[in-house]
Order: sequence, then structure tokens, then C-alpha cells
Amino acid sequence: DAKTTQPPSMDCAEGRAANLPCNHSTISGNEYVYWYRQIHSQGPQYIIHGLKNNETNEMASLIITEDRKSSTLILPHATLRDTAVYYCIVRSPNSGGYQKVTFGTGTKLQVIP
Amino acid sequence: GAVVSQHPSWVICKSGTSVKIECRSLDFQATTMFWYRQFPKQSLMLMATSNEGSKATYEQGVEKDKFLINHASLTLSTLTVTSAHPEDSSFYICSAYHPGYAYEQYFGPGTRLTVT
Repeated sequence: DAKTTQPPSMDCAEGRAANLPCNHSTISGNEYVYWYRQIHSQGPQYIIHGLKNNETNEMASLIITEDRKSSTLILPHATLRDTAVYYCIVRSPNSGGYQKVTFGTGTKLQVIP
Repeated sequence: GAVVSQHPSWVICKSGTSVKIECRSLDFQATTMFWYRQFPKQSLMLMATSNEGSKATYEQGVEKDKFLINHASLTLSTLTVTSAHPEDSSFYICSAYHPGYAYEQYFGPGTRLTVT
């Protein structure tokens, strides 16, 4: 798996957009970018993933640069419940689903009232 | 969406005893599950890959005789911490890929183990 680099922490005002960056300069052509988050004392939660096009779902948007060396997860209107550690991971999905995933240190997002 | 459960959610055991943690995929079959360990304020560390019908694959530095993994069926994997010691106290999390969701990895809620 390609390594990722994320800032250790960020603050965001409640109601504002939270933009979480991730660098993955060694990403290979068949690797996707995945984002998960972990709220305190819970298991990680899948948020979104993408290959090269920007993606949006009910939780967030994912913006991937044209060279795919970095991406940004956007929470459009952050709430206090979005306070969590956000992990950016790159991996290649495969039909067997056997690929193990290595977590980095992630970004601790603190949403401030 | 896919649901992965763990039981128990928390457990306290005495040093020297063994404790079993169950991980179940509730609405899908998982031939492969993963076990992670997380110490306070640290990231998840992969311990082992659990394969249905075969032996688990352990990460370097993880004692396979201490952390016994059994993938008994396509919906159940168990992690047994044998002869637990206080340093084994941690948050244990399992995960499984859902083949129908573009191979998204879904995580259980975690099990908090405290060894006294």
C-alpha cells in the first residue's frame, strides 16, 4: 500500500466546511483512496472512496488532484458529532478482498461550537 | 449497509486467564476478517488476517500462540487472548470486507479488554 501523510490535528467551527488533506505521492495506478473515521472508543467507519474522479455521498465529498498525489475530504457542514480521527488510506481493491489495510496516524478533527 | 458485530463490547479479566472475543458479519459472508489492536491515543495496528477454513496469518511481532484466531464459519471469527497480562489491555477491533460493496472494509464496534 502507498503511504499517506496527514496533518495530526485540525480544528473546524461548527457549521463550517471541514477540509482534511491527505498526501499520497507514491500512489499507483490501480490504487483507490479511501477515507475512514473513528469516533472515540468506536470502530472505524467507512466514509468514501475514489480512484481519480471527485466523489460525493451523503456524508462527504472527496476531491482527488489530477496527478492523484493528494486528496481532500470535505465535510460540508461540520457538526460536533463529526469530531473524530480521520484516516486516509490508499489500496487496490481486489476480487478476493484479502488485502490487509495499514492505518497511519490520521488527523484528529475537533469541531468547535 | 454491512454490519459487523463484536462480543463482548468490554471485558475485565484477571491476569493469567484467557478471554475470547467474537466477531460476526451479520448480513454478509466474510471469508476474510482482520483483527486490530489499538492502544490509547494510537492508531490501529493490524494483528492478523483470519481466513475461513485455514490458519490465520499473523503480522510480525504478534505471538500466534498467545492470540489464537479461529475462523469457524463464513460469519464468525474469534480471537482468544490466552494467559492475559495487564499489557494485553487494549481495544480490539475486527473488520471484514463486504464483497457486494466494492470491497469496502467494515469494522466492528470494538472490544475493550482490561486485564487486572
